[in-house]
Amino acid sequence: GAVVSQHPSWVICKSGTSVKIECRSLDFQATTMFWYRQFPKQSLMLMATSNEGSKATYEQGVEKDKFLINHASLTLSTLTVTSAHPEDSSFYICSASSGGSITGELFFGEGSRLTVL
Amino acid sequence: GENVEQHPSTLSVQEGDSAVIKCTYSDSASNYFPWYKQELGKRPQLIIDIRSNVGEKKDQRIAVTLNKTAKHFSLHITETQPEDSAVYFCAASIGNNDMRFGAGTRLTVKP
Repeated sequence: GAVVSQHPSWVICKSGTSVKIECRSLDFQATTMFWYRQFPKQSLMLMATSNEGSKATYEQGVEKDKFLINHASLTLSTLTVTSAHPEDSSFYICSASSGGSITGELFFGEGSRLTVL
Repeated sequence: GENVEQHPSTLSVQEGDSAVIKCTYSDSASNYFPWYKQELGKRPQLIIDIRSNVGEKKDQRIAVTLNKTAKHFSLHITETQPEDSAVYFCAASIGNNDMRFGAGTRLTVKP
């Protein structure tokens, strides 16, 4: 199957700093990538849909100025958690589809565990 | 938007028994229903999916059924093994757009 790589896999930062997480599709082009947040023992919550070359679409309740998404190329989307606080600590996962909106299957990155001290 | 409900939240079975997880969805326009398996700290892995033009799909010990009229779909795992222990998520979407996940089911297979 298609490969989606996420980096870093884990990061610890101080409160008030910003953290950037990268999501790359390694062997296919992804016009759309998705960002999720997962709290311990909970489900994946869609945060935003990242569209190449345009602004991301954020889910209700997700602060776009807090979680900056950039999808500058067909293989890379980035999520920047700005001015991070301890409540932002979570597991962040991206996904992408290799076949456009019709094919269906999503491939997930390895996830990035963020801990804000 | 789409709302997916999943039951049960936890499921414990004896090795060799069957496990069934059920999900319901709200948006009749949804046409793609994948199931993911997620082990602790790892990425979700697609184990099986079904599209709305099919009522049932089977892959070895795993099967999924879809009832479009009732808007529910189920995952069936037969002859469970300890390595099947994980969290399973159902999801529903229109193509890849706006995919929503169920709350997850923590399956434990006891040897």
